[in-house]
Amino acid sequence: EIVMTQSPATLSVSPGERATLSCRASQSVSINVAWYQQKPGQAPRLLIHGASTRATGIPARFSGSGSGTEFTLTISSLQSEDFAVYYCQQYNKWPPITFGQGTRLEIK
Amino acid sequence: EVQLLESGGGLVQPGGSLRLSCAVSGFAFSSFAMSWIRQAPGKGLQWVSTISVSGGSIYYTDSVKGRFTISRDNSKNTLYLQMNSLRAEDTAIYYCAPPGTINYYYLDVWGKGTTVTVSS
Repeated sequence: EIVMTQSPATLSVSPGERATLSCRASQSVSINVAWYQQKPGQAPRLLIHGASTRATGIPARFSGSGSGTEFTLTISSLQSEDFAVYYCQQYNKWPPITFGQGTRLEIK
Repeated sequence: EVQLLESGGGLVQPGGSLRLSCAVSGFAFSSFAMSWIRQAPGKGLQWVSTISVSGGSIYYTDSVKGRFTISRDNSKNTLYLQMNSLRAEDTAIYYCAPPGTINYYYLDVWGKGTTVTVSS
């Protein structure tokens, strides 16, 4: 099973600043990584798939990069609605699909 | 528009059973593998089980093997999860999850989920 490890667990950033979230895979997953945003009481929402392709309706301030084992989600200028928990997920070898443990993005 | 409607959750005592259902619309259900994902309170996302298009290939996470059974009815566009011998650690919101494409299992559509609480 491929293990996805996210860092940091919690990230404190001020509105308007850039946030960089990391995800590492225990073995190469090519570019088969997705990122999700989850707000309290809501289901997750797909942000990025294929490591860097924004899902439909996702603002351009969200960008993804990486390949192999190292991946990054960048939010270029944080808006108030961006403070949430973010998960990465690999789907290179499934089942199982596997998720990172999440990064909580909080207001500094 | 793809819609997923999970149902069947509730409060059950340890050792009890529940059957979850997921009604799917706006989607070629019979052409795609399907999965269940769960999220325990305050925790992250966990894959539970996947079933192939025909139902001929089925996979489970280790912690539910022998207790949970995934199935599907392609004529009814419905996915099921029979949950037996429930434990407190099965308490979670359960989501049914279709893949983004036939070959790539990212999750671009989510339902509201159904809540399972295992407690005496």
